[in-house]
Amino acid sequence: EAQVTQNPRYLITVTGKKLTVTCSQNMNHEYMSWYRQDPGLGLRQIYYSMNVEVTDKGDVPEGYKVSRKEKRNFPLILESPSPNQTSLYFCASSPDREDQPQHFGDGTRLSIL
Amino acid sequence: GESVGLHLPTLSVQEGDNSIINCAYSNSASDYFIWYKQESGKGPQFIIDIRSNMDKRQGQRVTVLLNKTVKHLSLQIAATQPGDSAVYFCAEAFSGGYNKLIFGAGTRLAVHP
Repeated sequence: EAQVTQNPRYLITVTGKKLTVTCSQNMNHEYMSWYRQDPGLGLRQIYYSMNVEVTDKGDVPEGYKVSRKEKRNFPLILESPSPNQTSLYFCASSPDREDQPQHFGDGTRLSIL
Repeated sequence: GESVGLHLPTLSVQEGDNSIINCAYSNSASDYFIWYKQESGKGPQFIIDIRSNMDKRQGQRVTVLLNKTVKHLSLQIAATQPGDSAVYFCAEAFSGGYNKLIFGAGTRLAVHP
């Protein structure tokens, strides 16, 4: 089954404790992206990657890091999480072709205390 | 997630009626538009898309209409069913940046029996 898989689905942690949210896709997509979703603000792009070893900032990159060492994986790293990063996070992927919609994972709910 | 629906405009319809969800997009240069459906606890799910060289596109029970003059997009759902209850997002992208989606804030559709 074609899918985008995120782990963990839920995490409660404390300020300053480094965490990583993993994202994996099995569709051989070139493009991957991370979004955060907050009430009233919709989905906002954090980082994206056009292919292996190619990453770029989205609209709200502050406080986040990403890496793309393999085509299927695109982890999101919070080196020193803060309470304002409490949010619902989504990973997405798509082929690097025009007119191809992004496919989303089921989300990771992070709570930073 | 549950908190996604807070502060969103809500459209309430009776089961079997047709639903129309509207979206005003921001960038006159956008030429690719997508509608996503998000159910509670799930990631956004692709419904239908449309290019700017089209005014209308139909899928199964859904139709998307595009009015470039007033930068307006609508999603019509025929014979709305309880399973259509969800938050619906429009997203826009422009040539050269098809993977960089800009999402609207969303509309909650509530279907009553």
